[in-house]
Formats: sequence, structure tokens, C-alpha cells
Amino acid sequence: AQKITQTQPGMFVQEKEAVTLDCTYDTSDPSYGLFWYKQPSSGEMIFLIYQGSYDQQNATEGRYSLNFQKARKSANLVISASQLGDSAMYFCAMREGHGNDYKLSFGAGTTVTVRA
Amino acid sequence: SQTIHQWPATLVQPVGSPLSLECTVEGTSNPNLYWYRQAAGRGLQLLFYSVGIGQISSEVPQNLSASRPQDRQFILSSKKLLLSDSGFYLCAWSDLGSPSGNTIYFGEGSWLTVV
Repeated sequence: AQKITQTQPGMFVQEKEAVTLDCTYDTSDPSYGLFWYKQPSSGEMIFLIYQGSYDQQNATEGRYSLNFQKARKSANLVISASQLGDSAMYFCAMREGHGNDYKLSFGAGTTVTVRA
Repeated sequence: SQTIHQWPATLVQPVGSPLSLECTVEGTSNPNLYWYRQAAGRGLQLLFYSVGIGQISSEVPQNLSASRPQDRQFILSSKKLLLSDSGFYLCAWSDLGSPSGNTIYFGEGSWLTVV
């Protein structure tokens, strides 16, 4: 069963505007972590932001913020003031497992294209 | 600071030939290590992960194998490549004992084309 769902295969956003990338997840484990990664055309996976399931506040990292709605099992990424360099594929991921035995499951990704 | 490197960056191999992709991590000890594969335009699929030397967990049955001969070295191998093995392979690490313990960091990736 799909554990991470990203329903937007592609999005266009105007430079300097904000964009929201959707992510929903499925788990019965009370302890989990949610991540967003950016993958530019070069292929590297760049860590952007992390939200723990017990974190009371939404995570923020510069222009990135995570809109965590635990009851709805959603963890949307908001990129504010989009820049041309933000054009890339974005992946939502969930950490599963306990102790030292854990791994990440990824969604299918959303391609973001920033227009000048 | 911690760094991760994998090589080769690009590989073109004929069907039936062997494969060896190598990944090393510096600046940390006893990390978790992972191999992911990404088909063109798709998400990442976890292939193998390791929580210690000689400890390998396989996520999907396939034509590949992994080994961890040293604490910070992770190798992805195949004895005979198939066309379906083509893709982008990413090595990754995490370390619960570090300040970034919850995060998994990725290497630069290796593009494999089987012809």
C-alpha cells in the first residue's frame, strides 16, 4: 500500500510567489518523521526540512516551511518567494522503524517549474 | 563534518556483465547505510539498508546484492546485469548519534545504463 502520496505530478509557479506542495502519509506508528527533499536536474537529493510526529510546531527552514496537520496525516511543503533555482523535483518522505533500524519511504515526487 | 561519496558517477554496461557501485561515508562512525534506486522520472525505491558491518536487509527481491565490508563502506553488486537494472542509484547515510540523527543524507548518485 502506498504510504506517501503526492498528488501533484507537476506545478508551475511565478517567480517571487509562494507554492504549496501536497503530501499525505499513512502510518499506524505514533512515532514517525516526515522529510522533504529537493532533486535538481543534476540528480542529487538535497535535504530541505524535517518534522517529527511529536513536534508541536511546524518546521521552518529559511524559505521552506512544513504545514503539518497530524489529524489529516498531511505534511505539505510551502516554498515562499520562489526563485528560478527552485525549479526541481520535490519528494516527500516518511521515516519508518524504531531505534537504529529505520528507513525512508518516498512519494512519487512533484516537479516544480518556476517561471520568470 | 560528514561527507558521503559514491562512484562511479556514470556507468554503461552490457547485459550480463557484473556491477560494482561503491559508497563511503566520512566523519561519522557506525552509520546506517542505504541503497536506493530511482527509475527515470519516478520516486525512490529502497533496495538495501545496513545498520552495521555485515548486516544487510533487502527490501525487494532482485538481481542485486549489497555488502558492508567496513563500517563506512557500502557496496552494491550484481553478477549479471539485466536491462531492467538501468536507473539512478543513490547511496545514503544516517546516524542517530549525531545532531542530525533524524535525517538521511544522500550521495551524488550513479547513473547506470545497461545496454
